[in-house]
Amino acid sequence: RKEVEQDPGPFNVPEGATVAFNCTYSNSASQSFFWYRQDCRKEPKLLMSVYSSGNEDGRFTAQLNRASQYISLLIRDSKLSDSATYLCVVNTWDTGRRALTFGSGTRLQVQP
Amino acid sequence: GAVVSQHPSWVICKSGTSVKIECRSLDFQATTMFWYRQFPKQSLMLMATSNEGSKATYEQGVEKDKFLINHASLTLSTLTVTSAHPEDSSFYICSARDDENIYEQYFGPGTRLTVT
Repeated sequence: RKEVEQDPGPFNVPEGATVAFNCTYSNSASQSFFWYRQDCRKEPKLLMSVYSSGNEDGRFTAQLNRASQYISLLIRDSKLSDSATYLCVVNTWDTGRRALTFGSGTRLQVQP
Repeated sequence: GAVVSQHPSWVICKSGTSVKIECRSLDFQATTMFWYRQFPKQSLMLMATSNEGSKATYEQGVEKDKFLINHASLTLSTLTVTSAHPEDSSFYICSARDDENIYEQYFGPGTRLTVT
């Protein structure tokens, strides 16, 4: 089983749509959680951290359910520029190092 | 914000040759840097953790003699792919952890390696 699992998509949605991505992680000792965005042939860029209480940044809302080991990202009012791959990332302190584990990503294509 | 550079951004080499990739933290010190590899349509996979002044820690399945890591200063880590083969063709990305804030990692722009 992968440490971080995501639906690969692609999700094809029209502009203005609301879209939700889900992610599950296997290591219950994971401490912190993030969503990254990666454009084609580019490095991943931090989109937002994910907190247990849920957090919102503009059109983006992230949720964490530690009991279910489940993370979500909601994008409202999708823009063409939101087209990218969204990576669910988990940070686990393991054998003295703080490493990021990446999901395989969910591809979003927003269409005009 | 913190900046991490990688050089070269892309490289094409012949089978059997070695390629060195540099990762630099430009405005912060990084005792720890990470090297990732990403094949097309796959996720980033951690290859190794690079520690300034000590040996790198390699992930399971990554050959340390093939992927040589040197972290000679607090701002520079290098990854050398030795005796490269076409299956080593990939997108190599480094990240650096800010010594002043260990909860932050900053990614370099990546190096696209093609081995012919």
